Amino acid sequence: QKEVEQDPGPLSVPEGAIVSLNCTYSNSAFQYFMWYRQYSRKGPELLMYTYSSGNKEDGRFTAQVDKSSKYISLFIRDSQPSDSATYLCAAIKAAGNKLTFGGGTRVLVKP
Amino acid sequence: EAGVTQFPSHSVIEKGQTVTLRCDPISGHDNLYWYRRVMGKEIKFLLHFVKESKQDESGMPNNRFLAERTGGTYSTLKVQPAELEDSGVYFCASSGEATQETQYFGPGTRLLVL
Repeated sequence: QKEVEQDPGPLSVPEGAIVSLNCTYSNSAFQYFMWYRQYSRKGPELLMYTYSSGNKEDGRFTAQVDKSSKYISLFIRDSQPSDSATYLCAAIKAAGNKLTFGGGTRVLVKP
Repeated sequence: EAGVTQFPSHSVIEKGQTVTLRCDPISGHDNLYWYRRVMGKEIKFLLHFVKESKQDESGMPNNRFLAERTGGTYSTLKVQPAELEDSGVYFCASSGEATQETQYFGPGTRLLVL
């Protein structure tokens, strides 16, 4: 079983819609949870990270973590065509060094 | 501030040849990581340097892979001899001294072994 699972998509939405992405994880030792955005042929770009359970908001992006259900979410409000990319969730243990990634979800925002 | 840079961006080699990938981390970042994504799989950890020391190389697939970070600045990852299954995208990331959860990635090196 993979430690972090993510639906590969693709997820297609019209411009302006809310994009909802999620991951599940199995390792209870994970304490930090990240979302990366990756454009085609580029490296992953850190969008935001959260510690333990809770919400974090940054502009149009909101990350949520529910440790009781081992569920990670990312919401993108007012989606733009420039948000079209692959979104990767990742997790790391407290004082850990290695990120464990999900497989990524392809998102397409249509004008 | 310059981000993580990697060289080359692409490499096509034949099975049995040697390839060396280079990573320059963000200036001042003591932590340097190598990851790899093979076709159809998720990005996976290879190893972690703290300055010039290997902190964790538990993800290295076998002894055909050799990573170095002389002087604690840039790092190289050598594959010798390369096999077909080594094809994939090799990413380097770096983080500050006490912030291993915020790892910044380079653009990757796309390696194709024929």
